[in-house]
Amino acid sequence: DADVTQTPRNRITKTGKRIMLECSQTKGHDRMYWYRQDPGLGLRLIYYSFDVKDINKGEISDGYSVSRQAQAKFSLSLESAIPNQTALYFCATSDFPFNQPQHFGDGTRLSIL
Amino acid sequence: KNEVEQSPQNLTAQEGEFITINCSYSVGISALHWLQQHPGGGIVSLFMLSSGKKKHGRLIATINIQEKHSSLHITASHPRDSAVYICAVYSGGGADGLTFGKGTHLIIQP
Repeated sequence: DADVTQTPRNRITKTGKRIMLECSQTKGHDRMYWYRQDPGLGLRLIYYSFDVKDINKGEISDGYSVSRQAQAKFSLSLESAIPNQTALYFCATSDFPFNQPQHFGDGTRLSIL
Repeated sequence: KNEVEQSPQNLTAQEGEFITINCSYSVGISALHWLQQHPGGGIVSLFMLSSGKKKHGRLIATINIQEKHSSLHITASHPRDSAVYICAVYSGGGADGLTFGKGTHLIIQP
């Protein structure tokens, strides 16, 4: 089983729908991240969390929200999806400190029509 | 915010060739990462460097802190090395301090 599991792997939906992307991990890491990847751009940070009670906005948090349900689970929601949120989304985990390698899930390919 | 530039953006080579991918950045860092993204999308960490050189199998990563430059080399390249290689640098300031390059798309032809 993968250390970092994202569901679903692919999703096609319509503008205005609410979408939730889920991430679970077995690494035992406290730090979890959500990124988006767009063609021709580097990965960009949406939200990150140090523990269940700590949620922080990243570079591009507008239009997104997150929930850290447990140490092992971190969900990303799009409350009202719009086409420019079409992208590849990655969840990642890491150990302390911040410069340590991150462990990525396989990604969720999200298309919003 | 650190600016990370990778070159080349795209590289096609023949099996067996020696491959070099470059990464330069604008602000001093405490760590540089090389990542590999396979066509299926998954990303794996290859190396973390803060100085010098590291080797793992046919992969070699070097960093020159003074010149703000790192290279990833692949010796005896193989079609299974075909992937996107991503450089990421950590320059402090918490989770926002990690900046990713746009990636180098490598294709190794048999």
